[in-house]
Amino acid sequence: DTAVSQTPKYLVTQMGNDKSIKCEQNLGHDTMYWYKQDSKKFLKIMFSYNNKELIINETVPNRFSPKSPDKAHLNLHINSLELGDSAVYFCASSHRGSNTDTQYFGPGTRLTVL
Amino acid sequence: QKEVEQNSGPLSVPEGAIASLNCTYSDRGSQSFFWYRQYSGKSPELIMSIYSNGDQEDGRFTAQLNKASQYVSLLIRDSQPSDSATYLCAVTRNAGKSTFGDGTTLTVKP
Repeated sequence: DTAVSQTPKYLVTQMGNDKSIKCEQNLGHDTMYWYKQDSKKFLKIMFSYNNKELIINETVPNRFSPKSPDKAHLNLHINSLELGDSAVYFCASSHRGSNTDTQYFGPGTRLTVL
Repeated sequence: QKEVEQNSGPLSVPEGAIASLNCTYSDRGSQSFFWYRQYSGKSPELIMSIYSNGDQEDGRFTAQLNKASQYVSLLIRDSQPSDSATYLCAVTRNAGKSTFGDGTTLTVKP
């Protein structure tokens, strides 16, 4: 049973295209996240949703738009893709109410913009 | 100054030795501290969490926290080649936002 799943695992696309990455968790968590990990392996938070409400929105271009249709899903849509968007995008989830904030990560989506 | 800083790697230790990974953080209000392990091409996975000063042990892993010094460390005893990975320190002030360090790459040589 996959706890946090993402699709697709790999995404290769041309500059200027629009693409989406989907994330689902079956852990019953109330908080979900999107992280970007660049080629230097630095993991940086982009967005966080708690009970479908946006609670963290770091300095991210507005070409990136998260959408949370319900607590178990957090999708990421990217408009007008640029070369610098190439990275691995990780979805994660946690139970905020537990006060421990342990995060469980999905397998990642490797985005390559040509 | 970065919010979370880890000792620069890479770190190489022989099999059976103790590997010591260090992390300092700038926010004195930080409440929760985590060590994640990330194998190449894989996602981060939690190996240790610590919330109060002192040591926390789990098998070969010991996390140490000193809030006065704003310092958290991870010791890996009897290091194995399978411990070779990048270790990420994460610090949380408020639930919902963790700040990660840049990671330290550990290589355990047989």
